[in-house]
Amino acid sequence: DAGITQSPRHKVTETGTPVTLRCHQTENHRYMYWYRQDPGHGLRLIHYSYGVKDTDKGEVSDGYSVSRSKTEDFLLTLESATSSQTSVYFCAIRQRGATDTQYFGPGTRLTVL
Amino acid sequence: QQQVKQSPQSLIVQKGGIPIINCAYENTAFDYFPWYQQFPGKGPALLIAIRPDVSEKKEGRFTISFNKSAKQFSLHIMDSQPGDSATYFCAARRTGNQFYFGTGTSLTVIP
Repeated sequence: DAGITQSPRHKVTETGTPVTLRCHQTENHRYMYWYRQDPGHGLRLIHYSYGVKDTDKGEVSDGYSVSRSKTEDFLLTLESATSSQTSVYFCAIRQRGATDTQYFGPGTRLTVL
Repeated sequence: QQQVKQSPQSLIVQKGGIPIINCAYENTAFDYFPWYQQFPGKGPALLIAIRPDVSEKKEGRFTISFNKSAKQFSLHIMDSQPGDSATYFCAARRTGNQFYFGTGTSLTVIP
């Protein structure tokens, strides 16, 4: 699992509330990613980071913000959760070498009522 | 708009059969094509990957075939086993840091 943990693993919240998901890695990887997984859509990139305080948007970034104040933590925030943000969220780290590999965390299942 | 189109959505084969999953793309800025395997309740895991200057890559029972001119690539699983039952995702890396995934194929291998 490349030392990746996500918290919480499950969360139920109400529309309009702020939500923060945390991704923590123990191996000092530069690149970190947030994806959402939905039936019929596969995995879609929300935001990614290429270093401390360096982030960029993915294809479905509206309604989400991220922060990375230290190498090991990458936070995903839903400022005001909506039902359309009900999904499974995966964090990944990227290891570049002979292969360009993303290692995914165990996921967070978020339900917005 | 789906950048990587994957088919079929689901696939059922008998043990020993050769399931084939197909993916297609349009963006010529894609320069790396990995396949991921995902079991229920787990995150995806890299299975095999190919670069566009190679037409075929094999790793164990898994083979990627790549057709650059047609902008298509496919995964073949030789001698499939019930333990291969999982969801498979193709993906493409746009030059740089962004990855785009297909919609996934649910494979069931019947004993």
